[in-house]
Amino acid sequence: NAGVTQTPKFQVLKTGQSMTLQCAQDMNHEYMSWYRQDPGMGLRLIHYSVGAGITDQGEVPNGYNVSRSTTEDFPLRLLSAAPSQTSVYFCASSLLGGSGELFFGEGSRLTVL
Amino acid sequence: GESVGLHLPTLSVQEGDNSIINCAYSNSASDYFIWYKQESGKGPQFIIDIRSNMDKRQGQRVTVLLNKTVKHLSLQIAATQPGDSAVYFCAENGNAGNMLTFGGGTRLMVKP
Repeated sequence: NAGVTQTPKFQVLKTGQSMTLQCAQDMNHEYMSWYRQDPGMGLRLIHYSVGAGITDQGEVPNGYNVSRSTTEDFPLRLLSAAPSQTSVYFCASSLLGGSGELFFGEGSRLTVL
Repeated sequence: GESVGLHLPTLSVQEGDNSIINCAYSNSASDYFIWYKQESGKGPQFIIDIRSNMDKRQGQRVTVLLNKTVKHLSLQIAATQPGDSAVYFCAENGNAGNMLTFGGGTRLMVKP
């Protein structure tokens, strides 16, 4: 099973450029989310969605947009990249309810110059 | 604000010994606590969870203990193996749907 698939795995951007990180899951999970992971800071929630057409902000949403047009896909858009957005980004999904056990993708490493 | 944190950033153990990774939390309303393992270059992987109405739960070679009195969570790994080398995160489900708050992580290094 593919699980949660993220693309690209690596990306280098210049300040001010825009890009989209793709995330797809094939487990029919209602809940999807994006985290960023910075050294020494653990994982911080950017945006999340509890179903198609529904999105909400997490802890660090500034500079990012999301949409959820289908159950499977949850892209993360960087509108105007800044060096502070250099990070590793993880997409995660789960069924609603329960402990909230998240299934993570392999991550996308983004560098903004 | 509410936070989940860890006491030790790095833990080094001998192969075959037991490992204990600790975590402090501050949100008394959290319904679930979860441990994740993250190997280098990979996404976090679920290990075990425990509900707030329990104080102990066992899995395969792992045990999670929850002490609500002092808001403390621990992960015990029995007979630690080289494959256990990774960063371990505790996370709490603050009873706000599936949103998890993660701690900063502890690196476990297993010496052969």
